[in-house]
Amino acid sequence: NAGVTQTPKFQVLKTGQSMTLQCAQDMNHEYMSWYRQDPGMGLRLIHYSVGAGITDQGEVPNGYNVSRSTTEDFPLRLLSAAPSQTSVYFCASSRGSSNQPQHFGDGTRLSIL
Amino acid sequence: KQEVTQIPAALSVPEGENLVLNCSFTDSAIYNLQWFRQDPGKGLTSLLLIQSSQREQTSGRLNASLDKSSGRSTLYIAASQPGDSATYLCAVPWRETSGSRLTFGEGTQLTVNP
Repeated sequence: NAGVTQTPKFQVLKTGQSMTLQCAQDMNHEYMSWYRQDPGMGLRLIHYSVGAGITDQGEVPNGYNVSRSTTEDFPLRLLSAAPSQTSVYFCASSRGSSNQPQHFGDGTRLSIL
Repeated sequence: KQEVTQIPAALSVPEGENLVLNCSFTDSAIYNLQWFRQDPGKGLTSLLLIQSSQREQTSGRLNASLDKSSGRSTLYIAASQPGDSATYLCAVPWRETSGSRLTFGEGTQLTVNP
């Protein structure tokens, strides 16, 4: 059982470059989310989805885009990378019914030079 | 806006000690509270989820309690072991949502010394 899989695990970008962080889950979970984790700030929600075709903004959405064309996949796109987006990014998923725990991937460590 | 605070930020204890980690939140209109464990360089692993109607939840040596009225939760770890060394985070869902969107505390970094 793979759970939540994130790729790549590490990435270095130059300012202005674009890239897509991949997230896939094999648990048939309706809910998927993207968080970033920064020292002194904790984890903050970027975007989330409650099902295929449905996405919405979280706490810190600027500079990021998402789409959800299938239940399994929820990619996060950085449109024009900035040094402030240097962070560790986590994808999470959970069942759509109430009071279900979230399952996290191992994260993508992203550095923007 | 919901704020989640965890005290202490770091804790170092000898092996075998019982310990308590604290979590407080400002908005009591929550459906549940989750405790997670994070090992260095890894993602988060859900340890316990307490529903708003529950007072506590247990899993092995872990016991989590929830007092919504006072905005507090505690994670009790019995007979701590070096393998318990990790960062422990608590999280609550956004107001009137059940769990797809979480607000996290910054965590307590626990070190259990042999």
